[in-house]
Amino acid sequence: EIVMTQSPATLSVSPGERATLSCRASQSVSIHLAWYQQKPGQAPRLLIYGASTRATGIPARFSGSGSGTDFTLTISSLQSEDFAVYYCQQYTNWPPWTFGQGTKVELK
Amino acid sequence: LQLVESGGDLVKPGGSLRLSCVASGFNLNTYTMNWVRQAPGGGLEWVSCIDSSSNYINYAGSVKGRFTISRDNAENSLYLQMNNLGVDDTAVYYCARDFNWGIVNAYDIWGQGTMVTVSS
Repeated sequence: EIVMTQSPATLSVSPGERATLSCRASQSVSIHLAWYQQKPGQAPRLLIYGASTRATGIPARFSGSGSGTDFTLTISSLQSEDFAVYYCQQYTNWPPWTFGQGTKVELK
Repeated sequence: LQLVESGGDLVKPGGSLRLSCVASGFNLNTYTMNWVRQAPGGGLEWVSCIDSSSNYINYAGSVKGRFTISRDNAENSLYLQMNNLGVDDTAVYYCARDFNWGIVNAYDIWGQGTMVTVSS
């Protein structure tokens, strides 16, 4: 099973600041990596797939990068609606398609 | 485009439950579908998947032998039969559509979730 490790667990950021979230895979997942955003009481929402492609309707301030084992989600200028928990997920050939434990982005 | 889950309930340890997920706005029959769960205060855990023709099915180790995923494309529906439930199965259960963009996949549509509580 591929283990996904996200850091930090919590990120305190002020509105307008840049947020950088990390996700590391225990073995290479190539670009088979997605990022999701989840707000309290809501279902997750797809932000990024293929490590760097924004999903439909996702603002340009969200960007993803990386390949292999190290990935980054960057929010260039944090808006109030971006405070949430963010999960990465690997999607290689075989299940289980594991998620990271999440990074909570909170108001500083 | 919407997925709506139902069937969550309070059940005693050892009990059974069947979850349903109905799609609207698109045909379920062309997509692989998944169940993902989230324990209270916890992260996301992939549970099971089923391909469009029900030929490929897989389960997380934690539920294998106890849960059964199925689908009825004519009803545009996905199901999860859960048997021998334990307290560790307490979670919100989401169904999610698996979308393929050539060589990469991700879950692009999620239901709102249905709560399963296992407690005596």
